[in-house]
Amino acid sequence: EPEVTQTPSHQVTQMGQEVILRCVPISNHLYFYWYRQILGQKVEFLVSFYNNEISEKSEIFDDQFSVERPDGSNFTLKIRSTKLEDSAMYFCASRRLAVKQFFGPGTRLTVL
Amino acid sequence: GIQVEQSPPDLILQEGANSTLRCNFSDSVNNLQWFHQNPWGQLINLFYIPSGTKQNGRLSATTVATERYSLLYISSSQTTDSGVYFCATTINMLTFGGGTRLMVKP
Repeated sequence: EPEVTQTPSHQVTQMGQEVILRCVPISNHLYFYWYRQILGQKVEFLVSFYNNEISEKSEIFDDQFSVERPDGSNFTLKIRSTKLEDSAMYFCASRRLAVKQFFGPGTRLTVL
Repeated sequence: GIQVEQSPPDLILQEGANSTLRCNFSDSVNNLQWFHQNPWGQLINLFYIPSGTKQNGRLSATTVATERYSLLYISSSQTTDSGVYFCATTINMLTFGGGTRLMVKP
C-alpha cells in the first residue's frame, strides 16, 4: 500500500538556524498538509496546499514558515529561523479527492 | 472553527478489558478519522468513518453524524493498545481532539 514518507525522522538544530523538513506524499494525491504536535499536546493544523499554492493556513503558520512543492514528488516545510518553541513533531499528510487524509510517520524537530 | 472534545482524557485498563472512547464535535462534518499514536509518535490511521459503523479486528468505531459524536470500541485490550487515541474531523484540514491516553496493564 502506498505511504507518505518523511525525512529526516529526527532533526536537531540550533536556535536561529533554518530547517527544511521533507515529505513525499502518495503519488496521485492532490492535497497536501503539514501539522504540528508539541510534546504532550494535540496535533495542530499548519497549512494546506493545493494546485501549487497555499489554500489555507493557521495562525501558527507565520512568516517564518514556508511550503514548497519543488517537483512532482516532494513537499517541503521550511522554517527560516528556528525558535525553541518550534520543537515539535511535524506531520505531513496528503489526500486525493476523497477526504480521508494519509499521514506520514513524522519528523521530530528539536531546537537547542 | 470546529471544536472536538474527547473523553475520557486518561484511561487505565487491565489487559483483557473492554473500553469505549468518545469524540464529540461541534459542527456538521464530512470526515472523521480515528488515530492511534504509538510510543514512537507515529499516527496510525485506525478508521475513516464519517458515518455508520466499521470493525477491524478487536477495534470498531461508530459515528452518528446527526448527533455529532463518534465512539471507538476496544475489546479484549492488549498492552500493545497503549498510547494516545485521537479523533479528528472537519471539511478540509483536520481538527484534532485532545486525545485519550490509554494505558493497558498486564
